[in-house]
Amino acid sequence: NAGVTQTPKFQVLKTGQSMTLQCAQDMNHEYMSWYRQDPGMGLRLIHYSVGAGITDQGEVPNGYNVSRSTTEDFPLRLLSAAPSQTSVYFCASSYVGSSYNSPLHFGNGTRLTVT
Amino acid sequence: QKEVEQDPGPLSVPEGAIVSLNCTYSNSAFQYFMWYRQYSRKGPELLMYTYSSGNKEDGRFTAQVDKSSKYISLFIRDSQPSDSATYLCAMSARYGGATNKLIFGTGTLLAVQP
Repeated sequence: NAGVTQTPKFQVLKTGQSMTLQCAQDMNHEYMSWYRQDPGMGLRLIHYSVGAGITDQGEVPNGYNVSRSTTEDFPLRLLSAAPSQTSVYFCASSYVGSSYNSPLHFGNGTRLTVT
Repeated sequence: QKEVEQDPGPLSVPEGAIVSLNCTYSNSAFQYFMWYRQYSRKGPELLMYTYSSGNKEDGRFTAQVDKSSKYISLFIRDSQPSDSATYLCAMSARYGGATNKLIFGTGTLLAVQP
């Protein structure tokens, strides 16, 4: 059971380039989300989805797009990378319901540097 | 003012010490309180969760919630070098749809010296 798998582990982009961060989970979780983690800022929610075909914005959505065509996959797209998007990105999933008994399962992150 | 405040540390203690990690928050709607542990270059993993006020114990770990003071704590007894990690508090209120919109603290880096 792989859990939440993120690819790539590391990426360096030039300003203005685009790329997609991949996230896949094999736990049949309805809820999937993307966070970014920056020093002194903690984890901040970018986008989330409560099921295939349903997405919504989190706290810091600007500059990022998402789609959810299957239960398993939730890719995050950077359309035109900026240095401010240098961060560690985490994908997380869970069952939809009370957060009390449905904890988030995190992947191991993608470390992105934009020069 | 951030919704959740957490001392970033770093906190360095000798092996066997009792460790106290704390978070304060401002949103009185928060009802679910969690502690995540994050090892270097890994994703956070859930360590403990509590609902509303009170204490919860799991082995060497005790989580406390004081809603009247908007203050939560994680105590680690007989700390071990393997406890060295960043500890993040997280909390949420109930939402109609995405009930997992957690608000995280910035994390406290803990180092347990052998």
